[in-house]
Amino acid sequence: DSGVTQTPKHLITATGQRVTLRCSPRSGDLSVYWYQQSLDQGLQFLIQYYNGEERAKGNILERFSAQQFPDLHSELNLSSLELGDSALYFCASSVGAGDSPLHFGNGTRLTVT
Amino acid sequence: AQSVTQLDSQVPVFEEAPVELRCNYSSSVSVYLFWYVQYPNQGLQLLLKYLSGSTLVKGINGFEAEFNKSQTSFHLRKPSVHISDTAEYFCAVSERGNTPLVFGKGTRLSVIA
Repeated sequence: DSGVTQTPKHLITATGQRVTLRCSPRSGDLSVYWYQQSLDQGLQFLIQYYNGEERAKGNILERFSAQQFPDLHSELNLSSLELGDSALYFCASSVGAGDSPLHFGNGTRLTVT
Repeated sequence: AQSVTQLDSQVPVFEEAPVELRCNYSSSVSVYLFWYVQYPNQGLQLLLKYLSGSTLVKGINGFEAEFNKSQTSFHLRKPSVHISDTAEYFCAVSERGNTPLVFGKGTRLSVIA
């Protein structure tokens, strides 16, 4: 058990809809990362927050947004969903902002129909 | 920007045989290197990491990797694999810990009885 909790585990929704994925980091970890895993693209970095502030941005679409709250949990909001957004979304956390290893949650599998 | 190439998408190997999973990276600065393992329906778990110092790094489950700066490689090895090692293995790189991890596309290791 990595200590990183992601909810829900599975999500099925229709195109055009909006969903929110939630992540609780390991106790003591200040950084939260979001990754998208799909068969064709592999693991793609989306965004990182460190202690409530956005730290780094990757290949995150404008339809997607995220935030980290004062209690350090994070939410990833996906809107105007398309079929191609179907993927496994992982949250990871780490103690620091850089060299500490990432601890991954078990992911949220999003299916857009 | 850094990038990672995992040269083999699938590696079948017989039980108790040795295995090497290849990883090459590209970066213009010093890097931190990681190997993660993903079992079915789970998140990624850290196998081992190289930050500095000895180029031979030992990890969990009997795995080790060697950092070769001149060849920009970080190949993962295990002298004798078990059925339970069947999983997807990901190599990842971060530039001096200042950038989020960039992952390779993964290598699926299948151990055959």
